[in-house]
Amino acid sequence: EAEVAQSPRYKITEKSQAVAFWCDPISGHATLYWYRQILGQGPELLVQFQDESVVDDSQLPKDRFSAERLKGVDSTLKIQPAELGDSAMYLCASSKQGSEAYEQYFGPGTRLTVT
Amino acid sequence: RKEVEQDPGPFNVPEGATVAFNCTYSNSASQSFFWYRQDCRKEPKLLMSVYSSGNEDGRFTAQLNRASQYISLLIRDSKLSDSATYLCVVNGRGYQKVTFGIGTKLQVIP
Repeated sequence: EAEVAQSPRYKITEKSQAVAFWCDPISGHATLYWYRQILGQGPELLVQFQDESVVDDSQLPKDRFSAERLKGVDSTLKIQPAELGDSAMYLCASSKQGSEAYEQYFGPGTRLTVT
Repeated sequence: RKEVEQDPGPFNVPEGATVAFNCTYSNSASQSFFWYRQDCRKEPKLLMSVYSSGNEDGRFTAQLNRASQYISLLIRDSKLSDSATYLCVVNGRGYQKVTFGIGTKLQVIP
């Protein structure tokens, strides 16, 4: 069964440092999502790509966060500089076009701790 | 009012019980609805889509009530393995914002 891949699985960084997360969606899935989930809360959408284009980044803190999906396949989410409040689980998900366009499949996530 | 609201629980139910969760949404133009299951410190996994006509998958039944703007999830004959957090997801039209609820925690006790 195809899966969404994410790396690293865990990351510890000091505040003010830069950190990057990588996601490889299920092959053929045109839509890719990045979420942030704080313990005890639901996932919060940070950015949504359709192929290589951003279709929603309204919740992305653009002063420190950036995301790209240059060839419309894998994607990178970057934080620079990291702040203590960025400690959370960062989840990537993908979905395909068509009638099942909104059924999302999640990767295992990257758990970020900022010290 | 939040875009998507869920009772965070926890719902503590005995094995074999029937339990139901609701999820209300504020945007009447919302198009697609889903239930996801999330185990502790794991990623969410799709449980089921919610269709206008309702749908059933084994012990799980999902319903949509557009007039009152809520979706529901019914679990019959609860198993210990059903213990998890259940997240509802609401999608707008086209590429409008995807919104998750906070999740409802279910604990099935022996």
